[in-house]
Amino acid sequence: EVRLVESGGGVAQPGGSLRLSCVASGFTFDDYTMHWIRQVPGKAPEWVSVISWDSNSRFYGDSVRGRFTISRDNRKNVLYLQMDSLRTDDTAFYYCVRDKLGQYSYVFDYWGQGALVTVSS
Amino acid sequence: VVLTQSPATLSVSPGEGVSLSCRASQSVSRHLAWYQQKPGQAPRLLIYDVSNRATGIPARFSGSGFGTAFTLTISSLEPGDVAVYFCQQRSKGVSFGGGTKVEIK
Repeated sequence: EVRLVESGGGVAQPGGSLRLSCVASGFTFDDYTMHWIRQVPGKAPEWVSVISWDSNSRFYGDSVRGRFTISRDNRKNVLYLQMDSLRTDDTAFYYCVRDKLGQYSYVFDYWGQGALVTVSS
Repeated sequence: VVLTQSPATLSVSPGEGVSLSCRASQSVSRHLAWYQQKPGQAPRLLIYDVSNRATGIPARFSGSGFGTAFTLTISSLEPGDVAVYFCQQRSKGVSFGGGTKVEIK
């Protein structure tokens, strides 16, 4: 069974930092491109970032580029999202998501349960 | 690419068929997926590339369309289908529609 379990969410002040982790199990982690997608409750999801299986390629959405960094550790089956210079509009649930069709298909077939990030003073 | 879903909310009796619309501001070819999000849960992939059902999705969920107009059809609504349904394109970047909420009448 594919499982994605996020952790590291919480409350941060504007300008602060948080790091999210996602432990993957039930599949061969280093066969897959992985994504972070966020969602404000009651709104549409918003794609945040993607990383290739070998970490050689990483891309970001316009709203987080230059502030967030995606990374992975294939030995530990863990995906990370380092979030710096946080803003109040970064408040959302953050989902760790697997890419269904392999490299950069942007079809999202398995989602974690989400980690809530709240940015507030 | 802006995806516009309609209607915003749909109330349907159990056993009835349901059609949800998703319109794109420019052509996305066949690169259109549908997701189901039940209250308090993460989205779940239902359909990708217009009409391919994801693993474990029952045949009463089907998709159609091409270019800028797409439809998700639920042939016979069950109480467990109460959810918000999002469409998503991957032709030009990634974007999601605003969602259609399906309720039981």
